[in-house]
Amino acid sequence: DAKTTQPNSMESNEEEPVHLPCNHSTISGTDYIHWYRQLPSQGPEYVIHGLTSNVNNRMASLAIAEDRKSSTLILHRATLRDAAVYYCGHTGTASKLTFGTGTRLQVTL
Amino acid sequence: DAGITQSPRHKVTETGTPVTLRCHQTENHRYMYWYRQDPGHGLRLIHYSYGVKDTDKGEVSDGYSVSRSKTEDFLLTLESATSSQTSVYFCAISESGTGGWTEAFFGQGTRLTVV
Repeated sequence: DAKTTQPNSMESNEEEPVHLPCNHSTISGTDYIHWYRQLPSQGPEYVIHGLTSNVNNRMASLAIAEDRKSSTLILHRATLRDAAVYYCGHTGTASKLTFGTGTRLQVTL
Repeated sequence: DAGITQSPRHKVTETGTPVTLRCHQTENHRYMYWYRQDPGHGLRLIHYSYGVKDTDKGEVSDGYSVSRSKTEDFLLTLESATSSQTSVYFCAISESGTGGWTEAFFGQGTRLTVV
């Protein structure tokens, strides 16, 4: 089964960049890497996903290691609204989508 | 917002009773998932479906069964609820195509309490 590990928590100052790491120790060649975030009392929401190349969108950037065993979600300028639990994961056999235990990001002024 | 609805949103039930949670989508997405969320454990996959009548087990499937008789509905059943199944349950949908994977959309969750 997929094994994905993340730090339990991280802190950042507002307006500073944040790098959230994830290890995908059991990822295989065709698995997509996903990142989602969850605000209090809401369902998780999509942030970004990718396969091999680094990806950018309006919310964040995703850096994928060459061996794909790790990825990093980059928030370029953290704001108070970015305080959430961030989940990384990947799709496996038959589209099985599993996640790590999440990183709680605190953003302070 | 993606058309995905979970029902009920809240439920309290007694130990030993059967419980069914419903996930309904209007997006015609192929893949559907049930997760449970507990403090310290994140999102854990219970069961998932890759098409009508095609389902498979996830990471924590013991005590749960699922059914998908049509594209839009994915049902999660607790055959005999136990206190350890008290949790928040999330349904998700996703799709894939020639361009690869698309984002997954999550429902708002069902808070289930087993007393």
